Amino acid sequence: AQTVTQSQPEMSVQEAETVTLSCTYDTSESDYYLFWYKQPPSRQMILVIRQEAYKQQNATENRFSVNFQKAAKSFSLKISDSQLGDAAMYFCAYRSRGAQKLVFGQGTRLTINP
Amino acid sequence: DGGITQSPKYLFRKEGQNVTLSCEQNLNHDAMYWYRQDPGQGLRLIYYSQIVNDFQKGDIAEGYSVSREKKESFPLTVTSAQKNPTAFYLCASSIRTGSDYGYTFGSGTRLTVV
Repeated sequence: AQTVTQSQPEMSVQEAETVTLSCTYDTSESDYYLFWYKQPPSRQMILVIRQEAYKQQNATENRFSVNFQKAAKSFSLKISDSQLGDAAMYFCAYRSRGAQKLVFGQGTRLTINP
Repeated sequence: DGGITQSPKYLFRKEGQNVTLSCEQNLNHDAMYWYRQDPGQGLRLIYYSQIVNDFQKGDIAEGYSVSREKKESFPLTVTSAQKNPTAFYLCASSIRTGSDYGYTFGSGTRLTVV
């Protein structure tokens, strides 16, 4: 079974600085998708960024980018120019192509210090 | 606006009672999911449905039941057999199973046993 591990339960960063959240996963599949979701205090889950495993180029969405290392099974999220609104729980998630479910990591709580 | 509506936002259950959580979507999505969120454990899949009148158990289905009589609706019943039902419950949908677009989530229901 696939598993997703987020080894940092909590992280903090100064406003306007850069922070990287770690995620590793375990799978025997070669074709899959990876996601980062944000859960602010409202508890609404919001998709931040997605990566297709067969694409070597790292995904980027404005201030959010990923470092996808397929051989190492690593999928970290970098947030540049951190803003107070970035404070949230961040979940890494995995899905095999054709699979029905997303597998989530335990989450990382990110605090932004003004 | 299209989206997923979960109700109620907060729900209190007495010991031995069954309660039903509502989930409605107007996104015309085929697949729907129920996840349970507990602190430090991420999200765990309870049930999912790919089409009307069909659903499958997820990783923690014991003590829960679902129905899918309409494409738009996927209610979750927490039965008295669920030993530890206090948790945050999230409903999600995707355009189809195996979609690489991730999920759209509702805003959740917080269930507390009193």
